Amino acid sequence: GQNIDQPTEMTATEGAIVQINCTYQTSGFNGLFWYQQHAGEAPTFLSYNVLDGLEEKGRFSSFLSRSKGYSYLLLKELQMKDSASYLCAVQDSNYQLIWGAGTKLIIKP
Amino acid sequence: SQTIHQWPATLVQPVGSPLSLECTVEGTSNPNLYWYRQAAGRGLQLLFYSVGIGQISSEVPQNLSASRPQDRQFILSSKKLLLSDSGFYLCAWSDLGAGANVLTFGAGSRLTVL
Repeated sequence: GQNIDQPTEMTATEGAIVQINCTYQTSGFNGLFWYQQHAGEAPTFLSYNVLDGLEEKGRFSSFLSRSKGYSYLLLKELQMKDSASYLCAVQDSNYQLIWGAGTKLIIKP
Repeated sequence: SQTIHQWPATLVQPVGSPLSLECTVEGTSNPNLYWYRQAAGRGLQLLFYSVGIGQISSEVPQNLSASRPQDRQFILSSKKLLLSDSGFYLCAWSDLGAGANVLTFGAGSRLTVL
């Protein structure tokens, strides 16, 4: 079967760095996505990785290792507004998205 | 620029009543359209997707149906709601021709079935 695993909840301190991991087992691979979802709102796109390595976008970076079926989202200089759920999703061989359950990130002052 | 509208934002319906959620996209043509449901603590569940007018693919058998009467309109319906239909429903669109299948979501519709 197809499976996406990510931690249910993480806590971090304002101004610090946090890494949210995602491991996957899917039928084929056509890219991995990270989305941010604030409570009660719709998810918004953060990043897309299709090749191995690190993609950086301001305070957020996303890493992919296809051989290990592994990705992480790195958030630097955490702000209170970063409190949200972070969803990992993999696009399979049919270009369908398989979603993880999301990681709820709690930022403490 | 492209925008996606979804309504209603919130609704409370009795068991056995009908449902209609609507979604429209502006600023693009022939988008891929999706209906998802999100239960608390669980991943997004794809309900339906459409690659064109009148073309609907169902991912999960249930008492819901979808229709695409116009290129940029996607409707989620039910004739008789069940308690288990409660949840957060999200419409989304993407342009697969752009390469990565990046989804842009509507604001969501929170349905409570009593």
